[in-house]
Amino acid sequence: GQQVMQIPQYQHVQEGEDFTTYCNSSTTLSNIQWYKQRPGGHPVFLIQLVKSGEVKKQKRLTFQFGEAKKNSSLHITATQTTDVGTYFCAEYSGGGADGLTFGKGTHLIIQP
Amino acid sequence: DGGITQSPKYLFRKEGQNVTLSCEQNLNHDAMYWYRQDPGQGLRLIYYSQIVNDFQKGDIAEGYSVSREKKESFPLTVTSAQKNPTAFYLCASSITSGEYNEQFFGPGTRLTVL
Repeated sequence: GQQVMQIPQYQHVQEGEDFTTYCNSSTTLSNIQWYKQRPGGHPVFLIQLVKSGEVKKQKRLTFQFGEAKKNSSLHITATQTTDVGTYFCAEYSGGGADGLTFGKGTHLIIQP
Repeated sequence: DGGITQSPKYLFRKEGQNVTLSCEQNLNHDAMYWYRQDPGQGLRLIYYSQIVNDFQKGDIAEGYSVSREKKESFPLTVTSAQKNPTAFYLCASSITSGEYNEQFFGPGTRLTVL
């Protein structure tokens, strides 16, 4: 599968600050999924974006898919200690049971 | 209680031994997947299966084998041919129809080869 590049690799924030992670591809993405993995845990699905320019919100989380479908972002407003973990973007090429192509993730570390 | 189970949680093996990791799901999903995760890295696809008795290689299939004799089960064998088998192994499942393909992950097996 094609590569999805994710930045930053690590992000330290003070509790209450905002956080953003970015996912970029050199080619057009069919769609993008976002997962969260708590330390020592397994990835948990957050959302899937399919349409160009799509924006979805889940409480303090805002997900965007670029107009050209080559980038995506996850923004967390007013971080809390429960937000700690690694956030991955992943491309699903669609059309069946193909696996996901994951970015390397952004590790969110929150300082109280 | 629906979900995916993997066993064991931790597994230690000597170099040169084959080892089989278990993955069972009761979500009635057609598709199942195996991923490998190395420290600080994303997940990489080893094998996937869309239907019973059929499976496809992923990006890093060398040194691994799978079977899909039942819909609920997708065991992964790490063979002695896998040069660096120590890793966190994650199994996942999903439905295959439609545009959306949320994957449900099991708790994982941490394999250490000594």
